[in-house]
Amino acid sequence: GAVVSQHPSRVICKSGTSVKIECRSLDFQATTMFWYRQFPKQSLMLMATSNEGSKATYEQGVEKDKFLINHASLTLSTLTVTSAHPEDSSFYICSARTQTGGESPLHFGNGTRLTVT
Amino acid sequence: AQSVAQPEDQVNVAEGNPLTVKCTYSVSGNPYLFWYVQYPNRGLQFLLKYITGDNLVKGSYGFEAEFNKSQTSFHLKKPSALVSDSALYFCAVRDDSGNTPLVFGKGTRLSVIA
Repeated sequence: GAVVSQHPSRVICKSGTSVKIECRSLDFQATTMFWYRQFPKQSLMLMATSNEGSKATYEQGVEKDKFLINHASLTLSTLTVTSAHPEDSSFYICSARTQTGGESPLHFGNGTRLTVT
Repeated sequence: AQSVAQPEDQVNVAEGNPLTVKCTYSVSGNPYLFWYVQYPNRGLQFLLKYITGDNLVKGSYGFEAEFNKSQTSFHLKKPSALVSDSALYFCAVRDDSGNTPLVFGKGTRLSVIA
């Protein structure tokens, strides 16, 4: 159980275009999902917390107008990278907990490798 | 503020030998500690956690970790390493307040050599 599906796994786009990444909890409902960004040989950086039915909470330094998050249902959150630039190229990973409370582990999607040319 | 330190970028171990991946942490309250493993171009997989109770916790794939409060450590261990254990390992911590995000260490690449 506790499967998080992320799509697409890889995407290449041209500079200036927008890319949408989907994150779905397949066998549980997630009122909260988390979006991370991982640079090569570096740790995960929390970008934002996605809240079902309300606005996402962004971490300091993350541009909310560039990284649009929508959490329209209890099983789906989307991250849209708008007007992408080469520096946005990265590995984006979503995650969710099956239960509220910090003692419950995060379950991660398989990530999306974004390459902006 | 919460923080996690994984002092080793790389750990090399021969197959069949015991392995240890080190982690130390800093939190203001009581820690919730986690270990995750990441294979190339994949998300993270949960291995084990310490919330409360016994200091030695056992997890997936034969891994275990020991919580040491005085040393603020949570080292990951396995008695006998497999080549298939080669991956990137992340330690993570949050405090028990419920209001703080999970903070990850920078990761340790484990290489098990046949």
